[in-house]
Amino acid sequence: DTGVSQDPRHKITKRGQNVTFRCDPISEHNRLYWYRQTLGQGPEFLTYFQNEAQLEKSRLLSDRFSAERPKGSFSTLEIQRTEQGDSAMYLCASSLGGQAGEQYFGPGTRLTVT
Amino acid sequence: GENVEQHPSTLSVQEGDSAVIKCTYSDSASNYFPWYKQELGKRPQLIIDIRSNVGEKKDQRIAVTLNKTAKHFSLHITETQPEDSAVYFCAASFTSGTYKYIFGTGTRLKVLA
Repeated sequence: DTGVSQDPRHKITKRGQNVTFRCDPISEHNRLYWYRQTLGQGPEFLTYFQNEAQLEKSRLLSDRFSAERPKGSFSTLEIQRTEQGDSAMYLCASSLGGQAGEQYFGPGTRLTVT
Repeated sequence: GENVEQHPSTLSVQEGDSAVIKCTYSDSASNYFPWYKQELGKRPQLIIDIRSNVGEKKDQRIAVTLNKTAKHFSLHITETQPEDSAVYFCAASFTSGTYKYIFGTGTRLKVLA
């Protein structure tokens, strides 16, 4: 499968624990996005990477959230001290730079905080 | 602020009828408007998109129209089929340099056989 992949697909954790998600974008794509989707809502933008540089973070991304893309390839999203309100689907998307265009989404990681 | 409104939230049509979903965006500088289809438990997938220098685009049974003056864009599906049943999201890509999407809240389309 040459599309965007995410791991794990599901994560159940207890409140207060830390979790880390991984996204592998399409190999030649230099732009990488993280979105969060709650039930019945559209995806909400969290953060954006161009190559290895994190160029924008949403106000939704509290200090407990951190994202990296160390070599401009895969990306990780870490949530520290999880809260029940963090329960959501975390979607990663990638695209090829130059102008606005199609973003290819991964299957998402569904996080449940108990 | 950055906002996209989408209506209706649910839409039921008889198989073979047409479906129309409407969106309004806030940033007049937006220049790219994709529509995504998301089936239950699956990733969003692009079905059609339009750029701000075009007023209409068609792809078989699917069309999108854009009114830049009114900041409206719409998805039109003709001859609907049961497999069109899904949640549809409109989005606007903002020209901040990141080309991030701001999504609408989604429309759950049910095509009744």
